Amino acid sequence: DAKTTQPNSMESNEEEPVHLPCNHSTISGTDYIHWYRQLPSQGPEYVIHGLTSNVNNRMASLAIAEDRKSSTLILHRATLRDAAVYYCLNVWRDDKIIFGKGTRLHILP
Amino acid sequence: EPEVTQTPSHQVTQMGQEVILRCVPISNHLYFYWYRQILGQKVEFLVSFYNNEISEKSEIFDDQFSVERPDGSNFTLKIRSTKLEDSAMYFCASTLLRGQLTYGYTFGSGTRLTVV
Repeated sequence: DAKTTQPNSMESNEEEPVHLPCNHSTISGTDYIHWYRQLPSQGPEYVIHGLTSNVNNRMASLAIAEDRKSSTLILHRATLRDAAVYYCLNVWRDDKIIFGKGTRLHILP
Repeated sequence: EPEVTQTPSHQVTQMGQEVILRCVPISNHLYFYWYRQILGQKVEFLVSFYNNEISEKSEIFDDQFSVERPDGSNFTLKIRSTKLEDSAMYFCASTLLRGQLTYGYTFGSGTRLTVV
């Protein structure tokens, strides 16, 4: 069980920022918040992860609420290539990844 | 950037036949996984493997399934007697460290298995 709640789908315009929300109200103190995405006909791809502080990398930013019960993946400038299913996961440090249904992100040209 | 390589990309087999799906994980990674995704459904965990033995397996991973790391580079998934319901994309993944403190998993592009 992925233990997270995400919208089934979202739309965004190309070249605009995208904020993908995730609720994880049952997260424990040692669970990390991970985001993966799956482009069409490809395997899942690691995007970013964090514990308490906001995180940035070349792909995205992760904003984590102060109570850690929710987080937001931010794509700063969406392109058509960002159209994918985005998965938010809570991962206990030694545990395996369990995927939910994720959010299907559509990018409009 | 290092990749996880899976072969073949597509395998068609007759029901009851044995299949072996092959994966070459990233060379310095220590933990290996197989997942599957039936068309239109979630990605499902099958098995994790570390130090030449299975660490954990799901209910899906029954006696028909086995994994092996025969030569220190390849990581294989064998299905002994395929069933129609084994038709799916199979993904191999690897990660460097136990737990995800610093690293995510790297997934391969998958093998599409079609059982006819």
